[in-house]
Amino acid sequence: DAGITQSPRHKVTETGTPVTLRCHQTENHRYMYWYRQDPGHGLRLIHYSYGVKDTDKGEVSDGYSVSRSKTEDFLLTLESATSSQTSVYFCAISGGAGGADTQYFGPGTRLTVL
Amino acid sequence: LAKTTQPISMDSYEGQEVNITCSHNNIATNDYITWYQQFPSQGPRFIIQGYKTKVTNEVASLFIPADRKSSTLSLPRVSLSDTAVYYCLVGPGGYQKVTFGIGTKLQVIP
Repeated sequence: DAGITQSPRHKVTETGTPVTLRCHQTENHRYMYWYRQDPGHGLRLIHYSYGVKDTDKGEVSDGYSVSRSKTEDFLLTLESATSSQTSVYFCAISGGAGGADTQYFGPGTRLTVL
Repeated sequence: LAKTTQPISMDSYEGQEVNITCSHNNIATNDYITWYQQFPSQGPRFIIQGYKTKVTNEVASLFIPADRKSSTLSLPRVSLSDTAVYYCLVGPGGYQKVTFGIGTKLQVIP
């Protein structure tokens, strides 16, 4: 399995509080992604990064920000958590080499916003 | 990215071959077809990828007809452990920003 870890794995927080989720990789892959997964919606892309300090929005980016100060870490921040952000969050990485890019996923973070 | 259509759910008995078909009528010339598998409480896992004809690995086979407007993921002799959601993605070579959709929920029955 690709070397991807996510922390924390579980978090319960209250509405209005800031939350930061961390994705860490040991594969030196260039591309990193944050997805959320909710029943009936599959996986939806929140933000992605195509290099250090290079990030862009996905399809459900409102209420989220990201940062990537070094290759191995990609942080997802909820500035002021809302109940609608209760979800399972997956980080993924890819090397972008040859063929179509293959993504490798982390174990996920289950976030509950009360 | 090309839009894909696949069945929402399928049931199969253990030991049978399972074929999941994905339609992608507007596939582009430089698009590849990729399938992922997701078990409950885990992230998706890459299964197989192809461009045309047939691709086979230790897990599955991928059949792509000449017009490439559909593809079929074939899982030989499924077991209970193959119960999962299977996603079909179509996109260009290299880096891509993809949407996974809802996928096909395969339930293997004893």
